[in-house]
Amino acid sequence: AQSVTQLDSQVPVFEEAPVELRCNYSSSVSVYLFWYVQYPNQGLQLLLKYLSGSTLVKGINGFEAEFNKSQTSFHLRKPSVHISDTAEYFCAVRKGAQKLVFGQGTRLTINP
Amino acid sequence: EAGVAQSPRYKIIEKRQSVAFWCNPISGHATLYWYQQILGQGPKLLIQFQNNGVVDDSQLPKDRFSAERLKGVDSTLKIQPAKLEDSAVYLCASSFYQEQYFGPGTRLTVT
Repeated sequence: AQSVTQLDSQVPVFEEAPVELRCNYSSSVSVYLFWYVQYPNQGLQLLLKYLSGSTLVKGINGFEAEFNKSQTSFHLRKPSVHISDTAEYFCAVRKGAQKLVFGQGTRLTINP
Repeated sequence: EAGVAQSPRYKIIEKRQSVAFWCNPISGHATLYWYQQILGQGPKLLIQFQNNGVVDDSQLPKDRFSAERLKGVDSTLKIQPAKLEDSAVYLCASSFYQEQYFGPGTRLTVT
């Protein structure tokens, strides 16, 4: 079964600083990869997805992620964060038509 | 385009009581999912419907949880009887192709 590991449960950064949220998954064979964001008391919103093609994926709100097959990683990055980016971020993987499997989440806190 | 609707948003019940959640997916989305999100964890799939048929319910505790999707549109998830460990946010999502769209969730507290 697929598994996803988000290496940091909490990441505090200062406003306008860069950030990287790390994600590793268990299998590199034909997987689809996703990053979701969850603001307080809200559902999940898709930030970006990798289905095929270019390994650098750009998403909404200035986020991007890079699919690294050899390292089975899909780290999320943003060059300059804002207070409004404070939220919980979830990495998820799906193999073919199988169910979506989520990581434990990373809480991103932006300090002024 | 209207998003995925869920109700109620919050529910507090005592253990051994029953509770039901309702979800209305985005119009035209054939696939509907129910997830359980326990505090501090990622969402876990409980059940997946394709139209009104069940695709995957392998992680649904069938002795107490049930779900239906009559007419292939809206869906209800029921817990009877509830246990303390059922306290969680219950998320509904729907999809047309590869992307799942999530509702705001129902926060259940079992006391």
